[in-house]
Amino acid sequence: NAGVTQTPKFQVLKTGQSMTLQCAQDMNHEYMSWYRQDPGMGLRLIHYSVGAGITDQGEVPNGYNVSRSTTEDFPLRLLSAAPSQTSVYFCASSYSMHQNHEQYFGPGTRLTVT
Amino acid sequence: KNEVEQSPQNLTAQEGEFITINCSYSVGISALHWLQQHPGGGIVSLFMLSSGKKKHGRLIATINIQEKHSSLHITASHPRDSAVYICAVSPLLTGANSKLTFGKGITLSVRP
Repeated sequence: NAGVTQTPKFQVLKTGQSMTLQCAQDMNHEYMSWYRQDPGMGLRLIHYSVGAGITDQGEVPNGYNVSRSTTEDFPLRLLSAAPSQTSVYFCASSYSMHQNHEQYFGPGTRLTVT
Repeated sequence: KNEVEQSPQNLTAQEGEFITINCSYSVGISALHWLQQHPGGGIVSLFMLSSGKKKHGRLIATINIQEKHSSLHITASHPRDSAVYICAVSPLLTGANSKLTFGKGITLSVRP
């Protein structure tokens, strides 16, 4: 199993550009989520999904869209990048939303918006 | 809003020392996770626990649900243990065990 994969690893955007961060898992996990990690702060939840076709907002959803058309993929879209979105983004997955299971994290995407 | 506090914020130890990292939280939880992040690297789950104690190699995690406190112990520390250690909890009130609330993490440096 590849686990949770993310692409790209690094990205530089100009303000106003759009892009999609890709996330995929091959463990047939129900729950997938996107976090951002900023210096001096804990990981913060952006959006999450409990299955194909079902998504919901987390703590910091503004400026981001998600969709989940398959169990495996959970892309994160930045519609119009802003410098405040400079961060490291992690995708994670877990077997179930409503039971206690280990969380698996992707390697992260380091995004800089200039 | 649940708050997860970790202490100390930064920690430096000498190789071979016994290290303790603490985590406290303010509401009822269904589980607590300890995660490890190496510099520039991804995040790896070390432990998930809801009671008692777990051990894996040189790492031991304990939790006291009544006191809302958990500790991560590293025995015979090694420079490769240098990393950020993150505590995260599943608050009972959310009804969603996978929606974690994270502490800020503790940066551990182990000197040879």
